[in-house]
This record gives sequence, structure tokens and C-alpha cells, in this order.
Amino acid sequence: DAKTTQPPSMDCAEGRAANLPCNHSTISGNEYVYWYRQIHSQGPQYIIHGLKNNETNEMASLIITEDRKSSTLILPHATLRDTAVYYCIVRVASGNTPLVFGKGTRLSVIA
Amino acid sequence: EPEVTQTPSHQVTQMGQEVILRCVPISNHLYFYWYRQILGQKVEFLVSFYNNEISEKSEIFDDQFSVERPDGSNFTLKIRSTKLEDSAMYFCASRTQRGGNEKLFFGSGTQLSVL
Repeated sequence: DAKTTQPPSMDCAEGRAANLPCNHSTISGNEYVYWYRQIHSQGPQYIIHGLKNNETNEMASLIITEDRKSSTLILPHATLRDTAVYYCIVRVASGNTPLVFGKGTRLSVIA
Repeated sequence: EPEVTQTPSHQVTQMGQEVILRCVPISNHLYFYWYRQILGQKVEFLVSFYNNEISEKSEIFDDQFSVERPDGSNFTLKIRSTKLEDSAMYFCASRTQRGGNEKLFFGSGTQLSVL
């Protein structure tokens, strides 16, 4: 079962930052936080991942609290194409442990 | 960016028939996965495959399911005798080996409809 808790849905105005929260209070020291998204019924798409430091790439930023019990995915300037279900997943980095998807957050970007 | 390719995009079959779903993972990837998503539900892990054998499988992946990498490029999922409840979107995914930390690339899926 998923080890994370996310709000079921959020709205964001186009052009504004979308901040998607995730709680993972039982995270272990060797577990990473991954974010994926699924646009309509397409295959999930990797966004970003991190262990304890904040991370940024061309798609988003990931802010992880110091105690690692929660994180926030930030889409700095949301567009209509960012409307999707966003999944926060906790996973051990080593080996072949599969990703386990929860229900995620349905983000609607509104014009 | 390289892509995972799945064929066909849609498959319709009669209950009890065998189906084979096909995937071409990214060429230098070594770990392969199948996931499925029943309409309106979560993406569910089915099976992982590495070094020509199953690494891990879920409770869903029973004796009716099998996977194969027949020729070093294709990765297939076979359902021997389909049931109505097998109707779902099936996603193939792959990743490189390094560190177990690499991102997973998903295909666009095969929509299986069992009538």
C-alpha cells in the first residue's frame, strides 16, 4: 500500500505556482520521495525525486522538510497542460522495488 | 527523449481468449515492468523482470499471466484465458540498472477490453 497521503484534488490558476503537498510521516532513512504525474489516461511520467535536499529540474521543484515527513512539489508557472493526477511515492532507492502508486492529487489548472 | 513503445494501442477480445500485449523498452534499459489501471482506479504493479527472469510479482499476477523477452528487444505480457475483470489499461515501463534510483519510463499503454 502507498505510504503517502495527498489531497484528492486541487485547483490552480494558469500562470500561478501550483504547490502540491504530500505527507510521508513513516518514511525511512533510505527511502526517496518520487513524484510522477499522469495526464488523462497516458502512462505515468517522471517529474522529480529527492532524498533530503531540495531539488529542482526543468519541470518542477521539490521541497522536503527537514524531518522528511512531508514534501511539496512546486510547478512554478502552471499551464493548462499541467492538468493531471500527481503521485507522490516513497521508495527505497536500491534494488528493484517497484513503484507503488496511490490515488494521487488531481490538479486542475484553470484559465 | 527515448520512448517505451506499446502495441496495439487498443485490443478487444472475447472472454476466455488468449492475448499478448507487446512492448519495446528503451534500448539500453535492463529492468522491465508491467502495470495495469482499471478505469477510474489506481495504477497497479503487476510484475518486474530482470536478467530474463521475474524479479517480483504482485498478487494480481497469477497463473493466467506470463511475461517474456523473446528476442532481446520486445517484452510481452500474455494473458492465457482472459476474464471480464482483465479489462484495463496495461502499461509497460523500463529503466536502466544504475543504483536502483533511475526514473521509470512508461509507455502510452494498451487498452484491453474483454467482452
